[in-house]
Amino acid sequence: GAGVSQSPSNKVTEKGKDVELRCDPISGHTALYWYRQRLGQGLEFLIYFQGNSAPDKSGLPSDRFSAERTGESVSTLTIQRTQQEDSAVYLCASSLIAGEYNEQFFGPGTRLTVL
Amino acid sequence: DQQVKQNSPSLSVQEGRISILNCDYTNSMFDYFLWYKKYPAEGPTFLISISSIKDKNEDGRFTVFLNKSAKHLSLHIVPSQPGDSAVYFCAAFRRTYKYIFGTGTRLKVLA
Repeated sequence: GAGVSQSPSNKVTEKGKDVELRCDPISGHTALYWYRQRLGQGLEFLIYFQGNSAPDKSGLPSDRFSAERTGESVSTLTIQRTQQEDSAVYLCASSLIAGEYNEQFFGPGTRLTVL
Repeated sequence: DQQVKQNSPSLSVQEGRISILNCDYTNSMFDYFLWYKKYPAEGPTFLISISSIKDKNEDGRFTVFLNKSAKHLSLHIVPSQPGDSAVYFCAAFRRTYKYIFGTGTRLKVLA
């Protein structure tokens, strides 16, 4: 079956513009995560959708960042008024069950460059 | 507050020798620990995990050791191969919580 997909694969934008990143998780996966990886750094947790529970937004770096997920399907991460420090690879992952240990499957990421 | 730490950003090992990647954590409540491997321009892929009630898990060339008293885990790759060259992330998981990742260690296996 299909894995986690993300679009676009690359995005170049000008400072101050808004961007929207999309994640298509594996069908039936309850949990969905967004991470950010800046150049030379590790995976930084952003937000976690856990089924019908309220999302864990504790990793969002500022109110310019927001994310939505409709049911157990697609998620979009929106960054408003982008800044150069937002340049990073944005990774999405999904897992079958929220709140329990089970394997996370990652998408290939969206490389965002803010000029 | 970095709960999972990988203090070595990079490691070089000769082909055929052992690679040892280390990870330290601060929260004794974690239930599972995992290692992920990441190639450039790809998402991380799961490699091996260990439950907090175990001290060793082996899968082929990969073995993970957990020392709960020291809050330390390590990944051993024997023998190392050039295809193992990648960034390795340590991660920890607690039920009803989320995954916490370390900053990664870049492994280079020299032919």
